[in-house]
Amino acid sequence: DAMVIQNPRYQVTQFGKPVTLSCSQTLNHNVMYWYQQKSSQAPKLLFHYYDKDFNNEADTPDNFQSRRPNTSFCFLDIRSPGLGDAAMYLCATSRGAGDRDTQYFGPGTRLTVL
Amino acid sequence: RKEVEQDPGPFNVPEGATVAFNCTYSNSASQSFFWYRQDCRKEPKLLMSVYSSGNEDGRFTAQLNRASQYISLLIRDSKLSDSATYLCAVTPSGNTPLVFGKGTRLSVIA
Repeated sequence: DAMVIQNPRYQVTQFGKPVTLSCSQTLNHNVMYWYQQKSSQAPKLLFHYYDKDFNNEADTPDNFQSRRPNTSFCFLDIRSPGLGDAAMYLCATSRGAGDRDTQYFGPGTRLTVL
Repeated sequence: RKEVEQDPGPFNVPEGATVAFNCTYSNSASQSFFWYRQDCRKEPKLLMSVYSSGNEDGRFTAQLNRASQYISLLIRDSKLSDSATYLCAVTPSGNTPLVFGKGTRLSVIA
């Protein structure tokens, strides 16, 4: 059974048209992460939540926002997608934020910007 | 120097070969290290965790060298199904999130 679920798996949007990506988890983990991964690149952390505590990476553009309404769900909002935002967006969870807490990834949402 | 750097690859090896990848990290305070496997257009999946000197799981062995600040992944008796990108990930310190390398691509050929 899927433990970290992302919807949709593929998303096509137009330049400048807001888009929301969804992530849910059945693991009851405290921490949820959003990564952006472009072809042949490392997954790049955008932000993460420890419970409701939001942590934004310093170099995450303002164009990217996130919401976590409850433990199970986390959303990534891209307010005005540009061509450079086309990428795979990966959601991950971990039980805690300690250095031994394994991260489990969802299948990702591949975003295309036209 | 980047936080996590990996061999650029690609590594093309015949079935049955032994292959090793290296990953260097810049923060000497790093405590935890991970190898993830990522298939094309799929999500990373945890392969091994390395907390002390090393870890072994079947054909896969990970070793940590703190003095030289690198970890390695050794794959013995390579299978076609081992073809993937192998991502190294490091927890820089304490409760900071993982930092990933770009990955090393492995192709095992018949």
